[in-house]
Amino acid sequence: ETGVTQTPRHLVMGMTNKKSLKCEQHLGHNAMYWYKQSAKKPLELMFVYSLEERVENNSVPSRFSPECPNSSHLFLHLHTLQPEDSALYLCASSQGGESDTQYFGPGTRLTVL
Amino acid sequence: AQKVTQAQTEISVVEKEDVTLDCVYETRDTTYYLFWYKQPPSGELVFLIRRNSFDEQNEISGRYSWNFQKSTSSFNFTITASQVVDSAVYFCALSSNSNSGYALNFGKGTSLLVTP
Repeated sequence: ETGVTQTPRHLVMGMTNKKSLKCEQHLGHNAMYWYKQSAKKPLELMFVYSLEERVENNSVPSRFSPECPNSSHLFLHLHTLQPEDSALYLCASSQGGESDTQYFGPGTRLTVL
Repeated sequence: AQKVTQAQTEISVVEKEDVTLDCVYETRDTTYYLFWYKQPPSGELVFLIRRNSFDEQNEISGRYSWNFQKSTSSFNFTITASQVVDSAVYFCALSSNSNSGYALNFGKGTSLLVTP
């Protein structure tokens, strides 16, 4: 079982669709993260959950809605996205919180038409 | 404010050459952490190393070595005898508690191409 898994690996959606990205970590970690990686831009932190509580929300538009039902699972619910939201969405987890090493999943490549 | 600069956007070397990837950082904190990650074409970010600001010892792991110099705020990464499998984008990142310790501030990455 690899450390951090993400599904789906690729997703194409229209602007009116609703979809969800799923992340699961098998490392026994307590914190989980969503990052966005767009072409030509540094990775951007979107959300952080620690012990299932959201501790970071970096001015992300409300069309992105995270959910963390337990410390092993993290979702990113998507609705009414824009073409500029097309990107690689990476999930990560870490043992505890601040400055711990983050381990990343393979990402979901999202294309919004 | 925190910042990580990777001035080299793309580097191309021939197999077996040594290559150094530069990373310069800015922070006002005395306690901070530096990281290197590798992102192969598959997309996953692979953790390579974590170093805290109080540990300036250089580190070697196989063909990889890291040179941390606080005096120049640099944390450079050298691959010795590069191989085609080293082709990837490499990211340097910085974390400290004053900037929400959860946030990793990434550089823009250096794309390394190793040709046979």
